[in-house]
Amino acid sequence: EAGVVQSPRYKIIEKKQPVAFWCNPISGHNTLYWYRQNLGQGPELLIRYENEEAVDDSQLPKDRFSAERLKGVDSTLKIQPAELGDSAVYLCASSGSGRYEQFFGPGTRLTVL
Amino acid sequence: RKEVEQDPGPFNVPEGATVAFNCTYSNSASQSFFWYRQDCRKEPKLLMSVYSSGNEDGRFTAQLNRASQYISLLIRDSKLSDSATYLCVVTHNTDKLIFGTGTRLQVFP
Repeated sequence: EAGVVQSPRYKIIEKKQPVAFWCNPISGHNTLYWYRQNLGQGPELLIRYENEEAVDDSQLPKDRFSAERLKGVDSTLKIQPAELGDSAVYLCASSGSGRYEQFFGPGTRLTVL
Repeated sequence: RKEVEQDPGPFNVPEGATVAFNCTYSNSASQSFFWYRQDCRKEPKLLMSVYSSGNEDGRFTAQLNRASQYISLLIRDSKLSDSATYLCVVTHNTDKLIFGTGTRLQVFP
């Protein structure tokens, strides 16, 4: 079974530039999560989707971050404009209905210069 | 104060040693508890769930003390391959995972 796929794996941009991350969850997983992990910290939830509906986006900085999951499968997370403090690893995870175990993708390591 | 607190370590132990990690959580409404493992520059992966009755999986034993809001992970007979960061995780009444900062373990020969 294929795992959660993310791209790109690495991204280096200058501040004020836009950036987008893509995630393809495990087939059949209705719930999709985006996390941000800063160095030396645990992952922190940015947004959670149930199918195509964002059910928890309370931690998403909405002034510069946006996300979508149009057909309830793939998802994109966008930052515009990026700031130096956005440098982190952005992790996507998915889980099946009624199950707590979340499966994480390899993450996108973002560096903002 | 963070909702889930862990000693960041690192814990440096020789092969064969027994090592224990502790974690405290502040929200008494927390319902489910887990340990995740994260290798260097890799994604977190579920290691084991934690139940009030305690649970064991091979060399790994997890315990939960709801009264003290305390979770532990015991690793017996440490292997070099156990070197990783161990993340304590709690949930409330949703499947939102709340992670601690992680405890780094380094097992040396």
